[in-house]
Amino acid sequence: GQQVMQIPQYQHVQEGEDFTTYCNSSTTLSNIQWYKQRPGGHPVFLIQLVKSGEVKKQKRLTFQFGEAKKNSSLHITATQTTDVGTYFCAALSNTGKLIFGQGTTLQVKP
Amino acid sequence: EAGVTQFPSHSVIEKGQTVTLRCDPISGHDNLYWYRRVMGKEIKFLLHFVKESKQDESGMPNNRFLAERTGGTYSTLKVQPAELEDSGVYFCASSQGLYYNEQFFGPGTRLTVL
Repeated sequence: GQQVMQIPQYQHVQEGEDFTTYCNSSTTLSNIQWYKQRPGGHPVFLIQLVKSGEVKKQKRLTFQFGEAKKNSSLHITATQTTDVGTYFCAALSNTGKLIFGQGTTLQVKP
Repeated sequence: EAGVTQFPSHSVIEKGQTVTLRCDPISGHDNLYWYRRVMGKEIKFLLHFVKESKQDESGMPNNRFLAERTGGTYSTLKVQPAELEDSGVYFCASSQGLYYNEQFFGPGTRLTVL
């Protein structure tokens, strides 16, 4: 079945440093969604990308969808302690289910 | 607007026992999903209801798991008998439409099987 690979699994950064997580699929994706799960919390929707080469920004967060629609990335500029959590990419299948990547857990040292 | 709610928040049971998890989706959301996250791994799909019908149950691990959504409102997920590998966090999510819509997740039920 369809799989989404996400790297890295963990990232520790100093507050103020940048952070990037990457997702890859062997098949073309119709769209990709990004979720954030705070420690002890539940996944919360951040954004959805649909178009080839799409770039969307939310304050310090930049989301990209590859030209071939097989990869995506989330970049956080100047991390803050509030950015701590696990970031998941997820492909939306044609039946409506989400296929999640393994997640990248971000730790930010103040 | 109330979000997705799940009950209980935690459940600790012994191997061989039965547990029933409940999910109340956001009112008006026809789509209801169950997911599971085991041991800090990725979140895996279990099944998908559209109203009271099972749209996709390809992620259900085995016949020890039974999900229902009578009346198309809340849903229950029963595990009987529970095994050690069933431990994890069970999330429920709901959405209005099928495509290009965000899924709203509940707080999850942390199940521990001893």
